Amino acid sequence: DTEVTQTPKHLVMGMTNKKSLKCEQHMGHRAMYWYKQKAKKPPELMFVYSYEKLSINESVPSRFSPECPNSSLLNLHLHALQPEDSALYLCASSQDPATDTQYFGPGTRLTVL
Amino acid sequence: GENVEQHPSTLSVQEGDSAVIKCTYSDSASNYFPWYKQELGKGPQLIIDIRSNVGEKKDQRIAVTLNKTAKHFSLHITETQPEDSAVYFCAASNLRGQGAQKLVFGQGTRLTINP
Repeated sequence: DTEVTQTPKHLVMGMTNKKSLKCEQHMGHRAMYWYKQKAKKPPELMFVYSYEKLSINESVPSRFSPECPNSSLLNLHLHALQPEDSALYLCASSQDPATDTQYFGPGTRLTVL
Repeated sequence: GENVEQHPSTLSVQEGDSAVIKCTYSDSASNYFPWYKQELGKGPQLIIDIRSNVGEKKDQRIAVTLNKTAKHFSLHITETQPEDSAVYFCAASNLRGQGAQKLVFGQGTRLTINP
């Protein structure tokens, strides 16, 4: 089983709202990733958690705040977003952060009004 | 840093024919090359991957070839079916055995299978 789940499937928020995206995997994977994907573009890496510690931050604005409460869960907290932040947000996981295949979730379609 | 170029950006093929998508990479240290298929409204799904210690890998109708000298790799889909219609992304990574890996994606190919 290579399932990564994400909630919610769709999210609409205003620029003053605070919301969170959730990602979960029960495959025992030790690395989890957040990507942002704009229409007709490839996924862009935002953050990597390795063994529950933030190991890569691709210079993402502070209005995006990741959190890894345990090895199975990954959150992305959103605050004061801009309309240009509207995109598909993808979570992925891999067994080993350095050597293994990444498996993606279905994504959360975010619209910022 | 690594740069991955993917061609063509769109590809239209008659059902039953073969489709080929090509990617080139810039970093000779890259050693892992996955291919993902993304259907409308879904996340990318891994369809096949290859590591730099092999030159070719096949899984039923899908095959990937790697030329390390030329720094390019290709996806081959034979006997195409309508359900193969999707956007395909190639990617490259340097799996060093330490630290988190970063996948660098190509720009994607929109494959359409015409019945």
